[in-house]
Amino acid sequence: DVKVTQSSRYLVKRTGEKVFLECVQDMDHENMFWYRQDPGLGLRLIYFSYDVKMKEKGDIPEGYSVSREKKERFSLILESASTNQTSMYLCASGASSATNEKLFFGSGTQLSVL
Amino acid sequence: RKEVEQDPGPFNVPEGATVAFNCTYSNSASQSFFWYRQDCRKEPKLLMSVYSSGNEDGRFTAQLNRASQYISLLIRDSKLSDSATYLCVVNFMANQAGTALIFGKGTTLSVSS
Repeated sequence: DVKVTQSSRYLVKRTGEKVFLECVQDMDHENMFWYRQDPGLGLRLIYFSYDVKMKEKGDIPEGYSVSREKKERFSLILESASTNQTSMYLCASGASSATNEKLFFGSGTQLSVL
Repeated sequence: RKEVEQDPGPFNVPEGATVAFNCTYSNSASQSFFWYRQDCRKEPKLLMSVYSSGNEDGRFTAQLNRASQYISLLIRDSKLSDSATYLCVVNFMANQAGTALIFGKGTTLSVSS
């Protein structure tokens, strides 16, 4: 079975801290994604990556950056955390294809910024 | 602009009922379509893809109307275990390098005995 592992299930940080959210997949997928999910707003795409060292902005990249130094690992970075970044963060991976079908999600990181 | 719209519900139905969810999308160039299921406090998981000819998987039927930019999911003989949030998902062409999935906000289904 495909496994997408997010480093933390719950995380509490203070405003202004630098936050790293790590995601690792074990299926050699080319594509990896970071979403955040908020009540009433659904899943929103932050950043995605098609390949090592490649990254593309999603719908809400402001306040975030990403790093993909190895194929299996995709990191989301909050340079200076703010309270409006309190959210559930979901990482996903998928095999490269014209239709980019099945995504596999990690179990999520609930981040609270105080 | 990339938008996927769903009725948030909740849909409250008794066991055995038939229930239908609808979804509209804004980008006529969208390439592929899916329904994901998300249980409370869990990650989304693929339920089924949606094909132009319509497709069925057991009690679940998905249909696509490209002309109207409309997707539907029909659940027959609802079970308690069908209670979840159903996410309509559309694949938009992000750029020449690839695509990205855009999720609707979801429709909540609650099946009661």
